[in-house]
Amino acid sequence: QQPVQSPQAVILREGEDAVINCSSSKALYSVHWYRQKHGEAPIFLMILLKGGEQKGHDKISASFNEKKQQSSLYLTASQLSYSGTYFCGTPKLSFGAGTTVTVRA
Amino acid sequence: ETGVTQSPTHLIKTRGQQVTLRCSSQSGHNTVSWYQQALGQGPQFIFQYYREEENGRGNFPPRFSGLQFPNYSSELNVNALELDDSALYLCASSPGLPGSTDTQYFGPGTRLTVL
Repeated sequence: QQPVQSPQAVILREGEDAVINCSSSKALYSVHWYRQKHGEAPIFLMILLKGGEQKGHDKISASFNEKKQQSSLYLTASQLSYSGTYFCGTPKLSFGAGTTVTVRA
Repeated sequence: ETGVTQSPTHLIKTRGQQVTLRCSSQSGHNTVSWYQQALGQGPQFIFQYYREEENGRGNFPPRFSGLQFPNYSSELNVNALELDDSALYLCASSPGLPGSTDTQYFGPGTRLTVL
């Protein structure tokens, strides 16, 4: 069973903020976030660990609510390079269908 | 560049054929996972190998099988190809033990088309 992501797509202007949500019906012990640009491999952004420890990207933040089995990724002051499809998931589980982010100048 | 390579880049097969996809992980990465990514979808976990042993499998039939070799390379084999097997196949390696919270490094993928 894959996590459910929302929204499916978001369009931003440079400098705007966005939140991507991820929820799972299965218990999550960690949540991984990746970004994939068209035709390229997914690139690691962030790992959120049960207990609150966070590893990853210092320009993009995230939260993890273990009890609700939800995670949110926060894109702050978005840049053109933030465009791509964002996936959440846990290794050995599958990833969500993705949220496509388009940042325009 | 993640240091993970896959071959071939693209492949076209016909229904019923067999295919072998290859992945070369970073040196020292003992864990490799394979994923299937259909168009417009997220990667779906196929299976994971740790030190040449299968360590977890997703919801894929037995005609999907794999091998991992001591030189950090691995293979995904698919028998009796079906049209729905058309997808991008990604391998991802990590240095940690299975189930760890280490980053996975994805390869660029192999685009398989089944006609």
